[in-house]
Amino acid sequence: EAGVAQSPRYKIIEKRQSVAFWCNPISGHATLYWYQQILGQGPKLLIQFQNNGVVDDSQLPKDRFSAERLKGVDSTLKIQPAKLEDSAVYLCASSPSWDRRPPTTIYFGEGSWLTVV
Amino acid sequence: GIQVEQSPPDLILQEGANSTLRCNFSDSVNNLQWFHQNPWGQLINLFYIPSGTKQNGRLSATTVATERYSLLYISSSQTTDSGVYFCAVFIMNSGYSTLTFGKGTMLLVSP
Repeated sequence: EAGVAQSPRYKIIEKRQSVAFWCNPISGHATLYWYQQILGQGPKLLIQFQNNGVVDDSQLPKDRFSAERLKGVDSTLKIQPAKLEDSAVYLCASSPSWDRRPPTTIYFGEGSWLTVV
Repeated sequence: GIQVEQSPPDLILQEGANSTLRCNFSDSVNNLQWFHQNPWGQLINLFYIPSGTKQNGRLSATTVATERYSLLYISSSQTTDSGVYFCAVFIMNSGYSTLTFGKGTMLLVSP
């Protein structure tokens, strides 16, 4: 079974530039998550999709971050304009959807490492 | 929101030693998972353990949901066990579940 695919793996940009990350979840997984992990901290949820609808984006800085999941499959996370504090690893994850029950497991991609200079 | 606290924040072991990592959470949870993040950043599922005890080789985990804590035991540690161990809890919100992580325990196993 193929895992969660992310690209690019590494990106260096200057502040005020834009960047986009792509994620392809495990086939058949209805739930897709984007997490931000700053060095030395645990991952923080940015946005969660159920199929192609947003169920939680309460911690997404909407003035500069946006995400979409077209056709309920792959997803793109965009940052525009980037700030120095956006330097982090952006992790995509997916899980099967269980009606009104938490999933038994969640699978993470290898992450996209962003450095803003 | 729910608070997830892990201890200790850092741990250094000699190869062959045993260790216990702790995760406390501030409210009732629907599910709890332990992850290992390797030096390349990949998060690997270790245990899905909402309650009770599970074992997988040299690793085992126990969750006491009524007392809001979970423990991860590593026996006969190896250098490949190095990395960051995260506890994460699922909370149900209006029909969907959200996963919240602790800050992790960084483990270094020296030869």
